[in-house]
Amino acid sequence: EPEVTQTPSHQVTQMGQEVILRCVPISNHLYFYWYRQILGQKVEFLVSFYNNEISEKSEIFDDQFSVERPDGSNFTLKIRSTKLEDSAMYFCASSASGSPYNEQFFGPGTRLTVL
Amino acid sequence: AQSVTQLGSHVSVSEGALVLLRCNYSSSVPPYLFWYVQYPNQGLQLLLKYTSAATLVKGINGFEAEFKKSETSFHLTKPSAHMSDAAEYFCAVGTSGTYKYIFGTGTRLKVLA
Repeated sequence: EPEVTQTPSHQVTQMGQEVILRCVPISNHLYFYWYRQILGQKVEFLVSFYNNEISEKSEIFDDQFSVERPDGSNFTLKIRSTKLEDSAMYFCASSASGSPYNEQFFGPGTRLTVL
Repeated sequence: AQSVTQLGSHVSVSEGALVLLRCNYSSSVPPYLFWYVQYPNQGLQLLLKYTSAATLVKGINGFEAEFKKSETSFHLTKPSAHMSDAAEYFCAVGTSGTYKYIFGTGTRLKVLA
């Protein structure tokens, strides 16, 4: 069964460093998403991406964040200068369409720890 | 704006007992509702979804949920808990016109032998 994969599973970084989280969405999906979950809190939407453009973003997704689809298979989230409060589990998701009728498929997550 | 409330961050049931995980939503437009399950070290796996067809939705692993518009609820049930059901369960809402899902805080289900 096709699945979303994410690497690395755990990333530890120093405050102020740049990190890139990687995701491989399901191959025939066209819509891609990043969510995050700070420990003990809700899963929160960050950004959606379609046709090489951001289609929607939350207020969390500020100038420190960027997303890219560098090739036909990868989807990345970059945090330019990490802060302590960026420590969270980051989930990538993909869907066949942008309609909520078609569910989003989630990866296993990357746990980011900022020291 | 949409929101989701899951009552009970931790729920314990005995093996073979009824599982009831509560989810209430708020949405100004017709919602699409989802239950996801997360097993340790795994991603969010879709259990079931409501997309305005039948109000009683059956999902995988014997779970079902009923959409009750009057109560703005979408509670998840399973008649008989199994040890393998121990996991964290998330309720989420999506609506047309936005790409994002809004999630609840999750309920960790513990199944006692």
